[in-house]
Amino acid sequence: HLQLQESGPGLVKPSETLSLTCTVSGGSMSSGDSYWDWIRQPPGKGLEWVGSTSYSGITFHSPSLDSRITMSVDTSKNHFSLRLTSVTAADTAAYYCARRLLDSQQLAYFFDSWGQGILVTVSS
Amino acid sequence: DVVMTQTPLSLTVAPGEPASMSCRSSQSLLHGSGNNYLDWYLHKPGQSPQLLIHLGSNRASGVPDRFSGSGSGTNFTLQISRVEAEDVGSYYCMQALETPLTFGGGTKVAI
Repeated sequence: HLQLQESGPGLVKPSETLSLTCTVSGGSMSSGDSYWDWIRQPPGKGLEWVGSTSYSGITFHSPSLDSRITMSVDTSKNHFSLRLTSVTAADTAAYYCARRLLDSQQLAYFFDSWGQGILVTVSS
Repeated sequence: DVVMTQTPLSLTVAPGEPASMSCRSSQSLLHGSGNNYLDWYLHKPGQSPQLLIHLGSNRASGVPDRFSGSGSGTNFTLQISRVEAEDVGSYYCMQALETPLTFGGGTKVAI
């Protein structure tokens, strides 16, 4: 079955760039029926959608992160990535990668597979 | 953005007792297909979130039938008919109608 695993530094200094990668195993990223998303959860708070990318590189993201976020996908390596520039303490969170799968009967997407999450702390 | 509001913030329930929680959206989640684009996720401590209910009322594969979702438009409810110890965690509603996808603040269930 599909597995996702986040990787990257657990500590990033303020004003620097947060870079995370999600490696997908047990399935292909190129099936076309999925989006590949990032969701984060600040300590003690709820879930926040960060952004989404298709296998072809079409991306959507939270407007609150507009000028700071870049997402990319590399289907040959079966991974997708998140890059967030000029981080502050407000970006401290557990970051989850997840697959958003198309329900082909209802033509709606839902999160069916998640990584374990990686805690990223922004601190000097 | 669609704002999702969940109530209550927390619930303490005795095993075997029912539980109910609400989710309200700032705009209708009813799609032209007739489906409400509202999903419920359970985030258990130390685990990743898992899908419980899809499109307002459809239980996800493997989800026990003690979980049920209802509602339409802007008002939705998740009910647990008989709470079990394994149901502890935070429950989130999420609108899937448009991006940015938005989650409610969560309802934390304790036993």
